[in-house]
Amino acid sequence: DAGVIQSPRHEVTEMGQEVTLRCKPISGHDYLFWYRQTMMRGLELLIYFNNNVPIDDSGMPEDRFSAKMPNASFSTLKIQPSEPRDSAVYFCASSYGQGLSSGANVLTFGAGSRLTVL
Amino acid sequence: DQQVKQNSPSLSVQEGRISILNCDYTNSMFDYFLWYKKYPAEGPTFLISISSIKDKNEDGRFTVFLNKSAKHLSLHIVPSQPGDSAVYFCAGYGNKLVFGAGTILRVKS
Repeated sequence: DAGVIQSPRHEVTEMGQEVTLRCKPISGHDYLFWYRQTMMRGLELLIYFNNNVPIDDSGMPEDRFSAKMPNASFSTLKIQPSEPRDSAVYFCASSYGQGLSSGANVLTFGAGSRLTVL
Repeated sequence: DQQVKQNSPSLSVQEGRISILNCDYTNSMFDYFLWYKKYPAEGPTFLISISSIKDKNEDGRFTVFLNKSAKHLSLHIVPSQPGDSAVYFCAGYGNKLVFGAGTILRVKS
């Protein structure tokens, strides 16, 4: 398996522009997570899906952020309009099952999308 | 509120010596604790985990210790190798994974 695929790897945009980040989870995984990494807060969970349905979006910072999962093999995270403080690395991760047993069902992360908003 | 805290932003260790990374948590409902390792330009990868009913779990050079009364866990790497240089994230799992801010480990040869 190619793992979790994210695109673009790098995005530089100007304040006010719309940004769309994309993720292809591992085939067969039923959970998908979006995380954001910043120096100050580390890895923050933004939202996660189970079987394409959003379960918890309490980490989404503002209404400017939205996420969709139209099918089991694709998800998007959209920021509209973008602001400089949104600059961060955004990670997508997937897993099979939510529960942990003996360390199983751990998340597999993509390589991340580095976003810079000028 | 930060449920998982890694108070040391960075740690530098000589090759062959022990590396000890620390993590504190506030949420007593975590069932598992996990450590992830992250290299530059890559996503975090799972390293080792421990159940909340255990106090130690060992996997090769990596050992995680859990002190529930102190709400503290630590990751020991011995002996440390230059390839261990990375960012290490501690995470607690209740109904979702909550990560700390990470600790940068540098192993000097």
